[in-house]
Amino acid sequence: NAGVMQNPRHLVRRRGQEARLRCSPMKGHSHVYWYRQLPEEGLKFMVYLQKENIIDESGMPKERFSAEFPKEGPSILRIQQVVRGDSAAYFCASSPRNFTEAFFGQGTRLTVV
Amino acid sequence: GNSVTQMEGPVTLSEEAFLTINCTYTATGYPSLFWYVQYPGEGLQLLLKATKADDKGSNKGFEATYRKETTSFHLEKGSVQVSDSAVYFCALRTFYGQNFVFGPGTRLSVLP
Repeated sequence: NAGVMQNPRHLVRRRGQEARLRCSPMKGHSHVYWYRQLPEEGLKFMVYLQKENIIDESGMPKERFSAEFPKEGPSILRIQQVVRGDSAAYFCASSPRNFTEAFFGQGTRLTVV
Repeated sequence: GNSVTQMEGPVTLSEEAFLTINCTYTATGYPSLFWYVQYPGEGLQLLLKATKADDKGSNKGFEATYRKETTSFHLEKGSVQVSDSAVYFCALRTFYGQNFVFGPGTRLSVLP
């Protein structure tokens, strides 16, 4: 059973471009979480999704950021018009149902130049 | 709201020393508690968990006991190794909140 797969592992974007980060949860997992980690800092919750539904997006910036988890295919975190402050590691985690542990991917390291 | 507090790092120990990383929490309801470990350049890995009061989670020589009366979940290891050098995150999850809440992380460096 493959783990949580994130791609790309590293992404470089110029200011103003769009960044699309993909997350394929573990097989059988229907819950996906996105977190952001700045260098030498902890994890900051962004959004929690189930298939075709956003459950909690309280940690997501209101502008430029969006997330989806379609019925088929990976979850996508989309950042429009990136700025230098968006440079961070973005981690995706998945779990099979409520009240169980989450399994993390290796992360996507976004650098905005 | 739900929150997790961890001891400030970095923590630097010599090999074979005893390790304690303190974790306390505030939560609505009865959370499950977790310790995750992050090695350099990697994602988080589940180290251990406990789902109810007085449960003890253990893995790879690490232990933590769910203490409801003190709302704590301190991580301990009797004899650390250089390979234990990493960042350790305490986390909780409640049914009502459904989301995972992480502490700020504690960096551990073990010197040979």
